[in-house]
Amino acid sequence: QVQLQESGPGLVKPSQTLSLTCSVSGASISSGDYYWNWIRQHPGKGLEWIGYIYRGGSTSYNLSLKSRVAISLDTSETQFSLHLSSVTAADTAMYYCAIIPTVTKSFDYWGQGALVTVSS
Amino acid sequence: NFMLTQPHSVSESPGKTVTISCTRSSGRIASTYVQWYQHRPGSSPTTVIYGDDQRPSGVPSRFSGSIDSSSNSASLIISGLKTEDEADYYCQSYDSNNHVVFGGGTKLTVL
Repeated sequence: QVQLQESGPGLVKPSQTLSLTCSVSGASISSGDYYWNWIRQHPGKGLEWIGYIYRGGSTSYNLSLKSRVAISLDTSETQFSLHLSSVTAADTAMYYCAIIPTVTKSFDYWGQGALVTVSS
Repeated sequence: NFMLTQPHSVSESPGKTVTISCTRSSGRIASTYVQWYQHRPGSSPTTVIYGDDQRPSGVPSRFSGSIDSSSNSASLIISGLKTEDEADYYCQSYDSNNHVVFGGGTKLTVL
């Protein structure tokens, strides 16, 4: 049974870097069977894909965020992380980690979400 | 890149059938698979349709998906509506660079 759990600060100051970690159980990050994603949802808005990491470290990012975002794998291979730099109030959102099995190509597994507020 | 356009909201009565559309702005709708997600408040999204018309195990047969090349759109059809179906629904597909594209979401009200 695949389970995901986001963790990280709920409050980040403007211009700082937002960092979140997704802890994974029931699936191997070193496996080529999944894409490891971050998605966010601004208050009252729709889902926005941030990016994913796959196959040992290759990444793909939303072009609108590409200059500020980095997704990485933890060396323990049980976690992957999101780093979003130079944040503003516009980055206040619920952040989800989610994985896409290559078989279905759909977001089959999601974390519970982590609310991050950007404020001084 | 392309956009996926969904109606902002739809409403229907219990027991009826509702169709939520998802129109691709450029490129063929059939060129990459379309997925549909149900998102209830306070919960994480769940997949109700993947691969255009495939239903994950555990999803009721009341949910079905289709694509229409003539209108360049995908549709989520929910029959026998129940109050528990009230949620936001998102379509999702991929562009040619394998980047994820979400539709704007549709709020389904069952009244």
